[in-house]
Amino acid sequence: EVQLVQSGAEVKKSGESLKISCKGSGYRFTAYWIGWVRQMPGKGLEWMGIIYPGDSDTRYSPSFQGQVTISADKSISTAYLQWSSLKASDTAMYYCARLKSSNYPRGNWFDPWGQGTLVTVSS
Amino acid sequence: QSVLTQSPSASGTPGQRVSISCSGSSSNIGSNTVNWYQQLPGAAPKLLIYGNNQRPSGVPDRFSGSKSGTSASLAISGLQSEDEADYFCAAWDDSLNGPLFGGGTKLTVL
Repeated sequence: EVQLVQSGAEVKKSGESLKISCKGSGYRFTAYWIGWVRQMPGKGLEWMGIIYPGDSDTRYSPSFQGQVTISADKSISTAYLQWSSLKASDTAMYYCARLKSSNYPRGNWFDPWGQGTLVTVSS
Repeated sequence: QSVLTQSPSASGTPGQRVSISCSGSSSNIGSNTVNWYQQLPGAAPKLLIYGNNQRPSGVPDRFSGSKSGTSASLAISGLQSEDEADYFCAAWDDSLNGPLFGGGTKLTVL
C-alpha cells in the first residue's frame, strides 16, 4: 500500500525554527515528486512547493519562496518542510502528497496524501 | 496565489444529484486536466477524480467529472449523507508551473 506518514503536531513560539517530515512507503520514493500543501484554519488548499527526491530538484510557489525550505533524504524515503523563524500566521495544517503525472492528456494530481501535520505558532 | 473559482456552498437531499462547478483560465484548466479532491470533516484531502473524468480505484461511480474549455464540473448522483464534505478542484497551471486549487465547495446533505 502506498502511504505517506507525517510527523506529529507541533506547538511553537514565534521566532522558533521547525522541521516537519513526511515518510513514504510502498513505492519507489525517488521516482515521484512530493508536494507540500498548506491549509489555514477554515480555509482552502495552497500549494507550497514540490521536490523530486531522486535528485532533490525543488520548485516553490512564488507565495512561499524564501519563507520555507523543502528538502528530502532519499536514504530514508523522507521529505521535509522547514521554517527558520516561525510566525503566528504560519499556524495551519500542512499536508504532503505524492505527485502523479500524465502526458496524454496532460495533467498532474496528488495521490495519496499524508494525514497532515498541525503546526500552531503562538505569539 | 490565484485560485480556481468554485461556489462556496452546495446542498441537496439524499438521493438527489448535485453538481459543483470550477472555473479557470487557459493556463490551467484550458491546458491541463482537472482533478477533484474530497475532504471529509477533520480528514486529509483524498483524490476523487483525476484526468477530468477518471475515478481512482474504490471511488463509487456516483461521482463523475467533466471539463469543457476553461471550466469543469463534478457531479454526484444518488447523494448520501456520507458525501457531506468539502470538495476542491485543481489543475496544473503552466504560468505558475505548479498546481492551482479551487477555493472549495462545502456540500451539505439536507
